[in-house]
Amino acid sequence: ILNVEQSPQSLHVQEGDSTNFTCSFPSSNFYALHWYRWETAKSPEALFVMTLNGDEKKKGRISATLNTKEGYSYLYIKGSQPEDSATYLCALNQAGTALIFGKGTTLSVSS
Amino acid sequence: DAGVIQSPRHEVTEMGQEVTLRCKPISGHNSLFWYRQTMMRGLELLIYFNNNVPIDDSGMPEDRFSAKMPNASFSTLKIQPSEPRDSAVYFCASSLEGSFEKLFFGSGTQLSVL
Repeated sequence: ILNVEQSPQSLHVQEGDSTNFTCSFPSSNFYALHWYRWETAKSPEALFVMTLNGDEKKKGRISATLNTKEGYSYLYIKGSQPEDSATYLCALNQAGTALIFGKGTTLSVSS
Repeated sequence: DAGVIQSPRHEVTEMGQEVTLRCKPISGHNSLFWYRQTMMRGLELLIYFNNNVPIDDSGMPEDRFSAKMPNASFSTLKIQPSEPRDSAVYFCASSLEGSFEKLFFGSGTQLSVL
């Protein structure tokens, strides 16, 4: 069974703090790594799709890095705001498979 | 585009009844996915289609679950007979074909089986 692990499961930060989460995955047969943002009462929305070892993506205050050789990706949020509160999901594509999601990291940002 | 459209938004049914969930993907997308969200397992893949053809249904829990995609603009997920443990949020998502393409999710169907 393909295992995509995310840590921590949840965290709580103060407004203005910077934070990061980890996604770990099997490095074999790697195709792509996706990050999604899932706000309460909404549907998951794509943040990044990364395919190459060493890839770095950035969208505003959110950025992500990828290491396919060791099987991990980091998501960083700089200067967290209350509107960043959401569950952040990573998902793995291996060759010939559909996206398999981790269980997510739930971020809560207090003002 | 209206995005991925799922219906119904909420379904409450009694154990043993047949349940049909519906999905209209984004026009032009040729991959369609059904996921189920539970507290225990997170977002788990049930089945996905490419160009209306089921590619991987290994995530379908058992024979009570079936999915069809009769054309490029419509898919159904059927549970017959339903059981309380089927209670979950069922998401449909679509994408352009290819591993590098991001998924677009529908609003989900909240299913409660009493």
